[in-house]
Amino acid sequence: AQSVTQPDIHITVSEGASLELRCNYSYGATPYLFWYVQSPGQGLQLLLKYFSGDTLVQGIKGFEAEFKRSQSSFNLRKPSVHWSDAAEYFCAGFYDKVIFGPGTSLSVIP
Amino acid sequence: ETGVTQTPRHLVMGMTNKKSLKCEQHLGHNAMYWYKQSAKKPLELMFVYNFKEQTENNSVPSRFSPECPNSSHLFLHLHTLQPEDSALYLCASRQLDRDNSPLHFGNGTRLTVT
Repeated sequence: AQSVTQPDIHITVSEGASLELRCNYSYGATPYLFWYVQSPGQGLQLLLKYFSGDTLVQGIKGFEAEFKRSQSSFNLRKPSVHWSDAAEYFCAGFYDKVIFGPGTSLSVIP
Repeated sequence: ETGVTQTPRHLVMGMTNKKSLKCEQHLGHNAMYWYKQSAKKPLELMFVYNFKEQTENNSVPSRFSPECPNSSHLFLHLHTLQPEDSALYLCASRQLDRDNSPLHFGNGTRLTVT
């Protein structure tokens, strides 16, 4: 079945530290892949998207994601986290419809 | 104004009330969606409208009634809700004929049923 998983429910990092949020999609045809961020009380904002081609995708707010076909993964990264990055992060894949992962909650320690 | 706009931002209603949520998109998209987001639960797709026609209803109770008068506007009519219906209701839109078109979300309506 088509699925998108995010193994980490909650992650805490210190401000200035690097960040990696994991995302895996179900084996098979590669879907179009997206990362969204949701700040408290807000809707989901698109961070970046992957369609094909280059495996490293740049997004907004200093985020990037790397697509690895061999691992069916699309992990989100940021070299240096800011306190304002504390939010919920959702990975999503488009097969014949959009499928969202369960989300990873990020806390940032000052 | 650009993007997806939802009104109201907050709504408190009793179980016997009738209210409506409104969504408007200014992106020229032809598909619109309602999602429900409850605490500690994954995003739940409720309804999908493609070119104003409902194409998906994910076993949503009849106390939720969607309406899509045109491809820019989407409503969710609420009647006789239960406390467990309290949640953030998110509207989204996308362009159907482009597979790589991402969903664009509004800021949601925070609904509290008392």
